[in-house]
Amino acid sequence: SQKIEQNSEALNIQEGKTATLTCNYTNYSPAYLQWYRQDPGRGPVFLLLIRENEKEKRKERLKVTFDTTLKQSLFHITASQPADSATYLCALDRTSGGSYIPTFGRGTSLIVHP
Amino acid sequence: DARVTQTPRDKVTEMGQEVTMRCQPILGHNTVFWYRQTMMQGLELLAYFRNRAPLDDSGMPKDRFSAEMPDATLATLKIQPSEPRDSAVYFCASGLVGGGRAVGEQFFGPGTRLTVL
Repeated sequence: SQKIEQNSEALNIQEGKTATLTCNYTNYSPAYLQWYRQDPGRGPVFLLLIRENEKEKRKERLKVTFDTTLKQSLFHITASQPADSATYLCALDRTSGGSYIPTFGRGTSLIVHP
Repeated sequence: DARVTQTPRDKVTEMGQEVTMRCQPILGHNTVFWYRQTMMQGLELLAYFRNRAPLDDSGMPKDRFSAEMPDATLATLKIQPSEPRDSAVYFCASGLVGGGRAVGEQFFGPGTRLTVL
């Protein structure tokens, strides 16, 4: 069966360090992968999209890698700040009837300590 | 600043009652999604519309849930009759899909927190 796995344990790091979150998947052949941020009581907010033919993508302090051989994406936040504390969700597409249907992982909570 | 709006923001109801949630997608977007989020299951896709036509509702319990888009500015999700296990946060999202039919960035609304007693 198809699975998207994100670490259910919260990641605790010190301010200024690099946070690395992992998204692993099985039985998918996604054309792209997305990362979202969700704060308590709010809807997810889009951060980055990376396509299957891209190895890496960057946006300011964020970096995403996509390894279709390992079936894994890594999401990095460099020089982390307490304001980066949130839950981070990865999303993959699955195909259905010729369309791409987004499927989300359950997310990993990041806590950045001052 | 274009946003997805959802009403109501909070809803408390009793088991067996009908619940209707509404969503106004961002003007110009051609896709609308309904999701349900719980601690146990995470974010689950319930329904997906493109150009107002339903594309996928395989994640939606058909016996009690229904989703419609009566026009381009309104999407509705209805539960009848509601049950305590329906308690969750329901999110609507909208986006643009191009010719490749790949879903890009989704813009989420603030959600409706539903409690069924």
